[in-house]
Amino acid sequence: DTEVTQTPKHLVMGMTNKKSLKCEQHMGHRAMYWYKQKAKKPPELMFVYSYEKLSINESVPSRFSPECPNSSLLNLHLHALQPEDSALYLCASIQGGPLRTETQYFGPGTRLLVL
Amino acid sequence: QQQVKQSPQSLIVQKGGISIINCAYENTAFDYFPWYQQFPGKGPALLIAIRPDVSEKKEGRFTISFNKSAKQFSLHIMDSQPGDSATYFCAASPFDRGSTLGRLYFGRGTQLTVWP
Repeated sequence: DTEVTQTPKHLVMGMTNKKSLKCEQHMGHRAMYWYKQKAKKPPELMFVYSYEKLSINESVPSRFSPECPNSSLLNLHLHALQPEDSALYLCASIQGGPLRTETQYFGPGTRLLVL
Repeated sequence: QQQVKQSPQSLIVQKGGISIINCAYENTAFDYFPWYQQFPGKGPALLIAIRPDVSEKKEGRFTISFNKSAKQFSLHIMDSQPGDSATYFCAASPFDRGSTLGRLYFGRGTQLTVWP
């Protein structure tokens, strides 16, 4: 099973709301990623968690707050977002082998609209 | 700075034709080159991937050609079908020394349309 699940599929929020995106994988992968993707653009890396520790933060604004409660789950907490944050938010995971790059498996994404 | 350059930006091919998408890179630390296929509203799905120790890899109608000296690689889709209409991203990833964590550097994408 190479499935990464994401909820919700769609989310509409106002600029004062607080919401969370959820990502789950049960493949035993130890590295998980959040990406942001605008229309007709490639995914942009936001955060990387390795063995449940935040390893990479691509200078993402603090209104995005990631959390990795356990090895299977990744959350992205959203607060005071701007309309330009509207995008497809993708989660991905890899096995996390120590020496070799591995295939990244992507979830279906959450389509976020900020009003 | 775009670490992986992809062309063309869009491609229109007749059903049964060959679709060719090209990518180039500069960073010699890259050692894993996947291609992802993405349909509208969906996440990218791995199509095929290659490492620099081989010059070609074929899976069904999809072939990656890799030229290490030129630092170029390309995706060929044989007998293109309307169902292949999607956006294709090439990507590259450096040897994982722990700090890069399998990080992918994506090309800008190619929107492929296959006419019936």
